[in-house]
Amino acid sequence: KAGVTQTPRYLIKTRGQQVTLSCSPISGHRSVSWYQQTPGQGLQFLFEYFSETQRNKGNFPGRFSGRQFSNSRSEMNVSTLELGDSALYLCASALQREGPIEQYFGPGTRLTVT
Amino acid sequence: GNSVTQMEGPVTLSEEAFLTINCTYTATGYPSLFWYVQYPGEGLQLLLKATKADDKGSNKGFEATYRKETTSFHLEKGSVQVSDSAVYFCALSGGGGNKLTFGTGTQLKVEL
Repeated sequence: KAGVTQTPRYLIKTRGQQVTLSCSPISGHRSVSWYQQTPGQGLQFLFEYFSETQRNKGNFPGRFSGRQFSNSRSEMNVSTLELGDSALYLCASALQREGPIEQYFGPGTRLTVT
Repeated sequence: GNSVTQMEGPVTLSEEAFLTINCTYTATGYPSLFWYVQYPGEGLQLLLKATKADDKGSNKGFEATYRKETTSFHLEKGSVQVSDSAVYFCALSGGGGNKLTFGTGTQLKVEL
């Protein structure tokens, strides 16, 4: 069974630009969550999607948005990039919404903002 | 809100030494507790979990017991190997949905 895939793996953008990251969950999984990982703030929850609906949102500005498609693939978008958005963005998929269940993480997208 | 506190790293041990990584939490209700491991350049992998008080999670020689009275979930391994070198994250979920609250992570280095 293929794992969670994230594309692209690496990305370099300039301040003020926008970026879209993609996450394909494990086949059959309907829940996708996104996390930002930085050396200073650690792992922080961005949002969770289930059946194309955002179910939970972390404490991030509105520049961070996401969506989920009918095939459960998810994208997250960051507009007007800031230097502080440089981070590893991880997505995790799960079979269902309610735990305690195992969430499977992808390898992440490393975003560098210059 | 929910929070997780982990001991600062890095932790450096010799191969076959005993490992303890402390983790305490603050949460409302009855959270589930997890340990995740992150190897260089990779995403997170679930190492073990416990869903209620006094549960013991175990995997690959690692163990952790859910202690509600001390709000702790310390990770232990009796004999570490060089291949255990990684960053370990304690996490909890609770309050509905799959949101995980993570600790800051503890880097473990195991030397020959």
